[in-house]
Amino acid sequence: SQQGEEDPQALSIQEGENATMNCSYKTSINNLQWYRQNSGRGLVHLILIRSNEREKHSGRLRVTLDTSKKSSSLLITASRAADTASYFCATDAMEYGNKLVFGAGTILRVKS
Amino acid sequence: KAGVTQTPRYLIKTRGQQVTLSCSPISGHRSVSWYQQTPGQGLQFLFEYFSETQRNKGNFPGRFSGRQFSNSRSEMNVSTLELGDSALYLCASSLRASGGLASTDTQYFGPGTRLTVL
Repeated sequence: SQQGEEDPQALSIQEGENATMNCSYKTSINNLQWYRQNSGRGLVHLILIRSNEREKHSGRLRVTLDTSKKSSSLLITASRAADTASYFCATDAMEYGNKLVFGAGTILRVKS
Repeated sequence: KAGVTQTPRYLIKTRGQQVTLSCSPISGHRSVSWYQQTPGQGLQFLFEYFSETQRNKGNFPGRFSGRQFSNSRSEMNVSTLELGDSALYLCASSLRASGGLASTDTQYFGPGTRLTVL
């Protein structure tokens, strides 16, 4: 079974609005990573947050990690049509042999 | 630096055949991982190679195998193809340090190989 579960499964917003996606996982992790995938292509790494970090920023992206709740959120501010994609969280946990385990993803559609 | 490249990009095979996919990692990256992506199962880890050794393996049948060469390039092979093997196969490379319990580094993905089994 998948380690990470994203919520919501799909999100549709207007350009300029903020988009928030959540990820929950089951075991203790070393780090959590967020990836973007455009229409069946390869994944693009967005941000990595380690288990001892609580928040990280990268441009319009803000990621938070709450290890007590085993959850993470990805916030995209001032969204653009080009942000339309699927977003995946992936966890790296010793229990899973230090391989990335991906969630099912959130499909984000930004309407212009 | 050139990114991760995968060949071929598209492949059509029939049931029972075998297929070999190729992945060239980013220069200097010694770890190569393979993932299968399907609409039903999502992204699933197949295996990871580091310095020509398989270091990690997912829950796939023995029909799925791989190898890594001394230049870090990797191939995966699927024998006796089944309809359910139709998927996007993604390769990722990373700088990941020597094995053991070191956590993963950022993985850089290739564009994938779209395999269709008829």
